[in-house]
Amino acid sequence: EAGVAQSPRYKIIEKRQSVAFWCNPISGHATLYWYQQILGQGPKLLIQFQNNGVVDDSQLPKDRFSAERLKGVDSTLKIQPAKLEDSAVYLCASSLDQDRGHQPQHFGDGTRLSIL
Amino acid sequence: DQQVKQNSPSLSVQEGRISILNCDYTNSMFDYFLWYKKYPAEGPTFLISISSIKDKNEDGRFTVFLNKSAKHLSLHIVPSQPGDSAVYFCAAAEYGNKLVFGAGTILRVKS
Repeated sequence: EAGVAQSPRYKIIEKRQSVAFWCNPISGHATLYWYQQILGQGPKLLIQFQNNGVVDDSQLPKDRFSAERLKGVDSTLKIQPAKLEDSAVYLCASSLDQDRGHQPQHFGDGTRLSIL
Repeated sequence: DQQVKQNSPSLSVQEGRISILNCDYTNSMFDYFLWYKKYPAEGPTFLISISSIKDKNEDGRFTVFLNKSAKHLSLHIVPSQPGDSAVYFCAAAEYGNKLVFGAGTILRVKS
C-alpha cells in the first residue's frame, strides 16, 4: 500500500512570498488533515477534510493560509504572504472515513519550509 | 493550554531493557489515544492505540497502558532495541478524530 505522498520535501522562500504544498493521501482514505509542526513541538492541526468538505479549520490562520481538496482526493495548502513564524514542517495525514469511528492517521514525510 | 503533556524531553535506556514513556492529559472528553514514532526527516509513524474503554493494549514489544482516573497513559517497549531510538509522540482525540499531540520524548537506546 502506497503511503501519503507530499511535495516538495523542502522549500525556502523570503517573507511575503507565497508557497504551495501538495498532498496525495492513501487510496481510499476519505479524511485528510494538514498539520503544522514547529521545531520542538508536536504537530498542530490546521485543517481537516472529509472527502472534499471542510470538517475543522478552527486553527487555520485564514488571513494567509488556504487549503482545498476539490475532487476529494489530493489536496493543496497555500500560504500567502508568508511570515517568519511560518517556518515549520507541514505534514499531511489521511485516515479511513472518520464516520466509522476513531481511525489512526497515517502521515506523509512532510515539507520543511524555511522563511528568510 | 497544553491538553497533552509529555514531561520528559528525553530518555536513555540500555539495549534489552524496558523503555517507559509517559503522557498526561487534561481533557476528560478524550476517548482515543495513540503513540507515534518519528525518525529524523520522516513523518510520524503510527505505533499503537487504545480506546478509553480499555486499560491496556499490546502489540508485540509495545504495550500501552491507560489510567483514566489519573488521566495518564504510558508506552512500554520491551525489550528495547537500538532501532527504537526516535522521537515518540503521544496523541489524544475526542469525537471527530481531531488529534492533539504532546511535544514528544526523544528515546535513545544504547547498545
